[in-house]
Amino acid sequence: DSGVTQTPKHLITATGQRVTLRCSPRSGDLSVYWYQQSLDQGLQFLIQYYNGEERAKGNILERFSAQQFPDLHSELNLSSLELGDSALYFCASSVANTNTGELFFGEGSRLTVL
Amino acid sequence: DAKTTQPTSMDCAEGRAANLPCNHSTISGNEYVYWYRQIHSQGPQYIIHGLKNNETNEMASLIITEDRKSSTLILPHATLRDTAVYYCIVRAVNNAGNNRKLIWGLGTSLAVNP
Repeated sequence: DSGVTQTPKHLITATGQRVTLRCSPRSGDLSVYWYQQSLDQGLQFLIQYYNGEERAKGNILERFSAQQFPDLHSELNLSSLELGDSALYFCASSVANTNTGELFFGEGSRLTVL
Repeated sequence: DAKTTQPTSMDCAEGRAANLPCNHSTISGNEYVYWYRQIHSQGPQYIIHGLKNNETNEMASLIITEDRKSSTLILPHATLRDTAVYYCIVRAVNNAGNNRKLIWGLGTSLAVNP
């Protein structure tokens, strides 16, 4: 158990819909990262937050947005969903916004868009 | 950002050492090498990381060549539970050095056989 909690574990929805994925980082971790993993693909970095502020942006679509709240949990909002958005979405956290230190990943949210 | 090259797949007999190579010939002087593994669609798990020196922890050893252009992850006594995709990644930082993005490839699928 990494200490990172993601909900929901599974989500099935239709094209054009909007969903929200939630992540609670490990206790004490200030940084949260979101990743997307499509079938048989590597992890694609989406976005990073540190203590409530956006710190790095990767290949995140304009239809997607995220935020980190004062209690440090984070939400990833996916809107106008397309079939290609079906993927595993992982959240990870780390202690600080520094150059060393490992990431702790949650078990992921599996999104299926029909 | 430095990219990594890993074999697509490898096999190892249970109880034997598994040596997973990684090429990162374009690595910069201040970039770390990280290893993670992902067991069948679970969240990736941190294994080890290093900059120049060889590193060892309870999970594995990391051997980095003197020129830092390649490294090898060693699982000394592989078990069936070590069957997973192993990712070798190089940490990238922005100019301010206050955030990071890990660039993930497709990793090496290690099968530990009885």
